[in-house]
Amino acid sequence: VQLVQSGAEVKKPGESLRISCEGSGYIFTNYWIGWVRQMPGKGLEWMGIIYPGDSDTRYSPSFQGQVTISADESLSTAYLQWSSLKASDSAMYYCARHAKTTDPADYWGQGNLVTVSS
Amino acid sequence: QSVLTQPPSVSGAPGQRVTISCTGSSSNIGAEYDVHWYQQLPETAPKLLIFGNSNRPSGVPDRFSGSKSGTSASLAITGLQAEDEADYFCQSYDDSLSGWVFGGGTKLTVL
Repeated sequence: VQLVQSGAEVKKPGESLRISCEGSGYIFTNYWIGWVRQMPGKGLEWMGIIYPGDSDTRYSPSFQGQVTISADESLSTAYLQWSSLKASDSAMYYCARHAKTTDPADYWGQGNLVTVSS
Repeated sequence: QSVLTQPPSVSGAPGQRVTISCTGSSSNIGAEYDVHWYQQLPETAPKLLIFGNSNRPSGVPDRFSGSKSGTSASLAITGLQAEDEADYFCQSYDDSLSGWVFGGGTKLTVL
């Protein structure tokens, strides 16, 4: 099982961005993919999840309306996107796999470092 | 401010035992949701250390153990080794948020 995330990104405030998480070694549509933010020197924050099998998507209230989570089952890839980045979006973003909504994440991606600076 | 409360730091000498607490509420740990623990080594992604309160994934040494009671959980590490120096996070599910909640993380220093 592997989750491989797209590379580091450097963007300006107001720009849009989509980062990706490609799953392999398992049936992609049978597991939830969650996104977790880690700001520099801080803890882990749950952003939301998607079930690629039926695109059921749920967001943390803290991130609802701020980001969009999607998935393309034909590419075994989940996405996290922003329409207008802010400097406060600078963080490491991890994707992680779990079997049920209450289950732990048993596999994690390597992380996407997003830097937003003018 | 994290939904689950952990001490910011703990420390111990090699060979010693340390514990890390994780305190929640009636909408998460107290609602009978399992607690899971992750280890995050510097500059790496978190790794699942304990799942379902007290179970170890394959490959995790039995020096690591977990327990849960009421609205709290604990991670114990015995026979501390230098390689255990990392950040540790607890995680559960919360009914109010309908999603995961994490502790703020505990930095373990091996003296």
